[in-house]
Amino acid sequence: DARVTQTPRHKVTEMGQEVTMRCQPILGHNTVFWYRQTMMQGLELLAYFRNRAPLDDSGMPKDRFSAEMPDATLATLKIQPSEPRDSAVYFCASGSNMKASAGTDTQYFGPGTRLTVL
Amino acid sequence: AQKITQTQPGMFVQEKEAVTLDCTYDTSDPSYGLFWYKQPSSGEMIFLIYQGSYDQQNATEGRYSLNFQKARKSANLVISASQLGDSAMYFCAMREGLVGTDKLIFGTGTRLQVFP
Repeated sequence: DARVTQTPRHKVTEMGQEVTMRCQPILGHNTVFWYRQTMMQGLELLAYFRNRAPLDDSGMPKDRFSAEMPDATLATLKIQPSEPRDSAVYFCASGSNMKASAGTDTQYFGPGTRLTVL
Repeated sequence: AQKITQTQPGMFVQEKEAVTLDCTYDTSDPSYGLFWYKQPSSGEMIFLIYQGSYDQQNATEGRYSLNFQKARKSANLVISASQLGDSAMYFCAMREGLVGTDKLIFGTGTRLQVFP
């Protein structure tokens, strides 16, 4: 049963600390997305990668957030320094654009990382 | 302008009854995909159903069906024979373009509660 995995599932940290969230996409998927979910803003796309190359990070605060894919099995999202307003659930999702019927492929979400910045 | 609109913040339905969750969308791209996801209280996002803009028939997946009305730009989710486990948040989402996996735009969600 292929799934997206995310670590940690929960993180509590103090303002100013660095936070690193990790995601392992489904094997064979070539597109990885980072979303943030808050009560106020709902689900927002932060960044996404295709074949490990960043395609769009316009939703991400550039001064403190960074997203990378060191290899095809690992995506990371870092916040440095963290602030209370970063408290949210961060989802990673993966998908594939290599199917013949491309219109039917979808994004599969990980369980999320619940971040609390005090 | 909001691309995906879910006008029902909350819905109630009795077990075994059918329920329709509304979703309207806005796009000028003739090629697009529409998705529904379920988010139970545990927090994960579960893919339910997909409809492509050129699909002639409404999508169905088990007890889920998508009532796609292209002219009205609506993509309502119909859940038949509701179960207690269907209680969750439901999100409608759209991808503009049909080629490959691209970013999704989500609605604000509808909280469905199924009562015995």
